[in-house]
Amino acid sequence: NAGVTQTPKFQVLKTGQSMTLQCAQDMNHNSMYWYRQDPGMGLRLIYYSASEGTTDKGEVPNGYNVSRLNKREFSLRLESAAPSQTSVYFCASSSGWGDTEAFFGQGTRLTVV
Amino acid sequence: AQTVTQSQPEMSVQEAETVTLSCTYDTSESDYYLFWYKQPPSRQMILVIRQEAYKQQNATENRFSVNFQKAAKSFSLKISDSQLGDAAMYFCAYCGSNYKLTFGKGTLLTVNP
Repeated sequence: NAGVTQTPKFQVLKTGQSMTLQCAQDMNHNSMYWYRQDPGMGLRLIYYSASEGTTDKGEVPNGYNVSRLNKREFSLRLESAAPSQTSVYFCASSSGWGDTEAFFGQGTRLTVV
Repeated sequence: AQTVTQSQPEMSVQEAETVTLSCTYDTSESDYYLFWYKQPPSRQMILVIRQEAYKQQNATENRFSVNFQKAAKSFSLKISDSQLGDAAMYFCAYCGSNYKLTFGKGTLLTVNP
């Protein structure tokens, strides 16, 4: 009963490097989300996927790309990391548009130096 | 655009007392869901309470209750008989028909013994 699994949990990147954050859920959820959490800024939505095959921009999409690989998996890619992308990243999933709660992964602490 | 505003960055309460956290939101929709999530230092996101917009009755979950004022677009959380374990960051969130789940910046609640 894993829920939402994010990998990696920690990562240090150099400016300009690329990486992909992986997220998988085993609850057969339709919707998946990527957030970043910074002090004083709350959780800001980067991208979301309302259902398999669709993705939409959130509040802060610049510098990121996403792929909804299948119903289970939703990855977040940083093509050229910048120090401003240092943050804690959360993946979440939910079955629908609010009839149930969203479940969150444990978070990825990313530092870009 | 959907926005969620939490005007209290920090709040404190004495153990066993009652505290109210404020949340307002902006939307043009008539049907939507509102949530309060709790994030303790472990970073885990925990659903506290959920409210459906078309339900007039305010949601309650044990010591947690909401005051939902749809016309005023206000959704406050009341915590009764506060306990040390209630100390956490609390986030208000909105989910509309486009499946986009938007969070406020959070309120850090301190519980004093």
